[in-house]
Amino acid sequence: DQQVKQNSPSLSVQEGRISILNCDYTNSMFDYFLWYKKYPAEGPTFLISISSIKDKNEDGRFTVFLNKSAKHLSLHIVPSQPGDSAVYFCAARGGTSYGKLTFGQGTILTVHP
Amino acid sequence: GAVVSQHPSWVICKSGTSVKIECRSLDFQATTMFWYRQFPKQSLMLMATSNEGSKATYEQGVEKDKFLINHASLTLSTLTVTSAHPEDSSFYICSASRGGESPLHFGNGTRLTVT
Repeated sequence: DQQVKQNSPSLSVQEGRISILNCDYTNSMFDYFLWYKKYPAEGPTFLISISSIKDKNEDGRFTVFLNKSAKHLSLHIVPSQPGDSAVYFCAARGGTSYGKLTFGQGTILTVHP
Repeated sequence: GAVVSQHPSWVICKSGTSVKIECRSLDFQATTMFWYRQFPKQSLMLMATSNEGSKATYEQGVEKDKFLINHASLTLSTLTVTSAHPEDSSFYICSASRGGESPLHFGNGTRLTVT
């Protein structure tokens, strides 16, 4: 039962353009969502998060949008840079256990120079 | 900078032996740490919650006798894979949070290969 889904296994974008990574969830108890970036053989690095009381959070080149009615969130990276190439995971948290994150399958982003 | 340190980064062991992985929170105390596992091309799956001073809480399907967790101090949790078998080969990642709304920070992971 995949409660957090990233339906696009990969995404290829030209440098300078916008990257849009999507994530869908099914559990309405999730109230906090995070995006992580991961390189091979390394642990995930936190990028940005959003609480369910908001619909947008922005941090530099990264913006996360949350559509609760659609149970959908997206990560926008603009402008995209070659160094952004990595695997991006969305994760969700619900209830009182703040460490119990449920991860999506990940999306491989490749930014071409 | 890194807030969670994990050691070793990789280990190769023979089938039947035990392997210990350490996870440290570097500049904060973590009463709770989390151990995740990632198989190739798959998502990160929570294995267990490590609680300082008490027993770990294991997720469904995770064998507590195979994956021993010890959270002896507020900055250190260890995961011991006992009697390792090739199917235990995976990428193990620990994590901790400063608490509250702080995000979960991950260590760099340990690549375990059991031959």
